[in-house]
Amino acid sequence: QKEVEQNSGPLSVPEGAIASLNCTYSDRGSQSFFWYRQYSGKSPELIMFIYSNGDKEDGRFTAQLNKASQYVSLLIRDSQPSDSATYLCALYTSGTYKYIFGTGTRLKVLA
Amino acid sequence: DTGVSQNPRHKITKRGQNVTFRCDPISEHNRLYWYRQTLGQGPEFLTYFQNEAQLEKSRLLSDRFSAERPKGSFSTLEIQRTEQGDSAMYLCASPQESSGNTIYFGEGSWLTVV
Repeated sequence: QKEVEQNSGPLSVPEGAIASLNCTYSDRGSQSFFWYRQYSGKSPELIMFIYSNGDKEDGRFTAQLNKASQYVSLLIRDSQPSDSATYLCALYTSGTYKYIFGTGTRLKVLA
Repeated sequence: DTGVSQNPRHKITKRGQNVTFRCDPISEHNRLYWYRQTLGQGPEFLTYFQNEAQLEKSRLLSDRFSAERPKGSFSTLEIQRTEQGDSAMYLCASPQESSGNTIYFGEGSWLTVV
């Protein structure tokens, strides 16, 4: 089992819809979770991080964490064509100081 | 701009040549990470430094790879005797402990081995 699993997609949503991106992880010792957006040919850029169970909202983005289910998700409201990118889920474990990334989900927002 | 600077941004080299990448991290951050990313994959951990000490190396880092961080400031990643399989984007990252240990990436250095 991979440490961080994401559906590779592509996930296609119409403009204005809610895009839901999911990530599961295997290490229960993971403490912080991150979502990054990566445009083709560019490096990953941080969208948001979350470390407590529940929801965390930042503008059009909401991260959801459920440690019992080892599940973290990202919701993008009012999706725009400019949101079309690959979304990477990552986790951090302080005991190892390591950041582990999933393979990413490709999102396409259709105008 | 994340404050993490990498150069060169692009490097095309012939197989068998040596290449070196440099990373200048956010100055007050003690830890520095190197990752490699190939098409369709997420970033893969290569190594990390706490100040000048290299604390962990991935088994992905063969003997042809070496990384240094003299004086705990900038870091270099050298690949000797490059192979076509080394073609990838090499990412340097610096975490910010005050933001949940969020890791910030530089722009990346693209390596193409021909």
